Amino acid sequence: EAGVVQSPRYKIIEKKQPVAFWCNPISGHNTLYWYRQNLGQGPELLIRYENEEAVDDSQLPKDRFSAERLKGVDSTLKIQPAELGDSAVYLCASSPHPGAGEDRKQYFGPGTRLTVL
Amino acid sequence: AQRVTQPEKLLSVFKGAPVELKCNYSYSGSPELFWYVQYSRQRLQLLLRHISRESIKGFTADLNKGETSFHLKKPFAQEEDSAMYYCALENNAGNMLTFGGGTRLMVKP
Repeated sequence: EAGVVQSPRYKIIEKKQPVAFWCNPISGHNTLYWYRQNLGQGPELLIRYENEEAVDDSQLPKDRFSAERLKGVDSTLKIQPAELGDSAVYLCASSPHPGAGEDRKQYFGPGTRLTVL
Repeated sequence: AQRVTQPEKLLSVFKGAPVELKCNYSYSGSPELFWYVQYSRQRLQLLLRHISRESIKGFTADLNKGETSFHLKKPFAQEEDSAMYYCALENNAGNMLTFGGGTRLMVKP
C-alpha cells in the first residue's frame, strides 16, 4: 500500500504564476482533505470532500484557490495567481469514513512544499 | 469555535527523562482528541487517540475535561522519540480536525 500520494513534492514559482497540486488518496477512502501548513504551525484545513462533493470549503480562499475531485478519487488543488504568502506545505489526507466509529483516522500524504518568490 | 494550544514550541530532554507535551483545547461540545507525530523526513501520522485509551510507543495521554487538557506523557524518553508532535481536536460531527501549532521534542543522548 503506497499510502496517500502527492505530487510534486517541491515547487518553486514566481508570484502571480499559477500552480497545481495533485493528490491520490488511499484506495477506497471516500473522504479527502486538503490542508495548508505554514512554517512553524500546525496544518489548517482548506477543503474536505466526501466522494466528489466538496462538503466543507469555508477555509478555502476562493478568490485564488480552487479544487476539484471530479470522479471522487484523485484531487487537484490550484492557486491562480500565487502570492508570496502562499508559500507553505500543502498536505492531502484521506480517511475511510466521514467520521463515525473507530476509523476516524486520517492518513496523510508527504505534502507539497511550495515556495513563491 | 474550536482551538488547540500547544504552549511549547520546543522541548528538550535527556534520554531516560520523563516527557510531558502539553495540549490545551477550547471546544463547546464533547471533544475527540488525538496526538499526531511527524518524524524527520516522514509524513504526519496518528500516534494515539483518547477514545482508545491506548499506550503507543510508551506514550499515554489522558483527557482532562475540567482543565481542558490532553497532555502527552512518557516516563522514559528515547532518542527515537525526537519528532514534531501535534495535538488535534475533532468536532462532534467528526468532520473537522483542528491542529495545535506543534511541539518539537528533542531527546539528547
